[in-house]
Amino acid sequence: NAGVTQTPKFQVLKTGQSMTLQCAQDMNHEYMSWYRQDPGMGLRLIHYSVGAGITDQGEVPNGYNVSRSTTEDFPLRLLSAAPSQTSVYFCASSAADSYNSPLHFGNGTRLTVT
Amino acid sequence: AQSVTQLDSQVPVFEEAPVELRCNYSSSVSVYLFWYVQYPNQGLQLLLKYLSGSTLVKGINGFEAEFNKSQTSFHLRKPSVHISDTAEYFCAVTDLYGQNFVFGPGTRLSVLP
Repeated sequence: NAGVTQTPKFQVLKTGQSMTLQCAQDMNHEYMSWYRQDPGMGLRLIHYSVGAGITDQGEVPNGYNVSRSTTEDFPLRLLSAAPSQTSVYFCASSAADSYNSPLHFGNGTRLTVT
Repeated sequence: AQSVTQLDSQVPVFEEAPVELRCNYSSSVSVYLFWYVQYPNQGLQLLLKYLSGSTLVKGINGFEAEFNKSQTSFHLRKPSVHISDTAEYFCAVTDLYGQNFVFGPGTRLSVLP
């Protein structure tokens, strides 16, 4: 019972490099989302998806792209990394009625951009 | 839009003492309320949630929270804490569509022996 799996756990990038943070869930959840966690700011929503083929922006979407080609996977792409994107990134999923179904979180990806 | 305030960034408390972590929210619409806990190097786990009904909700690990609509608060309490409760605690709200969770900045609870 894997739940939500994020890879990699750690990543160091140089300014301007690109990379994809992977997120997969095996609970057949329709709703998936990406958050970034910064000290003193809690979790801020980057992008979310309510099903395959449907994505929408959250509070802090700039600099990030997402796609949802399958129910299981929701990758987050950084096209040109910037030091301001240094953060811990969490992927989360829930069933369609998410108010009654809690968010299930992955263990996070710690990204450092130099 | 919703917002969440957690006034205490850090709360140190001795083992077996009671604790209250404060959460206040702001919203122009009805909301659902949640408390999540984050242990070191892990993702967040749901502690408890308020959807409707009784304003006192009980969660896992002996935690409970009380919803106060007039004060727009959802404070978390535990009558006797353990060392293992040391973690960061996040209050969160979502609108009734449940698709846009807004989290507070977190309160770091440190339980001292």
